Amino acid sequence: GAGVSQSPRYKVAKRGQDVALRCDPISGHVSLFWYQQALGQGPEFLTYFQNEAQLDKSGLPSDRFFAERPEGSVSTLKIQRTQQEDSAVYLCASSLNSGGVEETQYFGPGTRLLVL
Amino acid sequence: SQKIEQNSEALNIQEGKTATLTCNYTNYSPAYLQWYRQDPGRGPVFLLLIRENEKEKRKERLKVTFDTTLKQSLFHITASQPADSATYLCALAPSNDYKLSFGAGTTVTVRA
Repeated sequence: GAGVSQSPRYKVAKRGQDVALRCDPISGHVSLFWYQQALGQGPEFLTYFQNEAQLDKSGLPSDRFFAERPEGSVSTLKIQRTQQEDSAVYLCASSLNSGGVEETQYFGPGTRLLVL
Repeated sequence: SQKIEQNSEALNIQEGKTATLTCNYTNYSPAYLQWYRQDPGRGPVFLLLIRENEKEKRKERLKVTFDTTLKQSLFHITASQPADSATYLCALAPSNDYKLSFGAGTTVTVRA
């Protein structure tokens, strides 16, 4: 079956530009996660949704970062006024139920963002 | 502050040998530890989970150990194959919680 998909796969933005990154989770998955992965590092947690509710946004690095999942399926991560330090791969993951660690998180391929 | 450290150097091994990767942590008491595989340009793929009360877990050619006294997990790939070449990430969670903390990963290259 279809896995988690993300678009675009690559995005080049000029500093100060707003970007929107899309995640299509596995159909029927309740939990959705966003991670940021800098070059040579592991993923870092950004935010967590259960259906349409954003239950945890503690990892969002600044108020320029905003995520939504209005209908409990597709999610969008928006970054306003991008800065060079925002350059990273943004990964989306979904899991079937509540997202506890005993549940497998399925990752998408990521969106590589380069801010010039 | 919490720290998760994996082998800082990449691992290059001959096909058929066993690759052993380490994941050490400090200022952390994880109840769960996971290992993932990540190929270039792709997202991580879950491999194994081990709980704090489990010493060892196996899955096919993979073996994971978890020593809460040493604050260390070892990940073994036995009878390694070139297709095992990838970056391997460990991830820790303090309880049955969704929030994972990842190490930086170790890149393994298996030579034919």
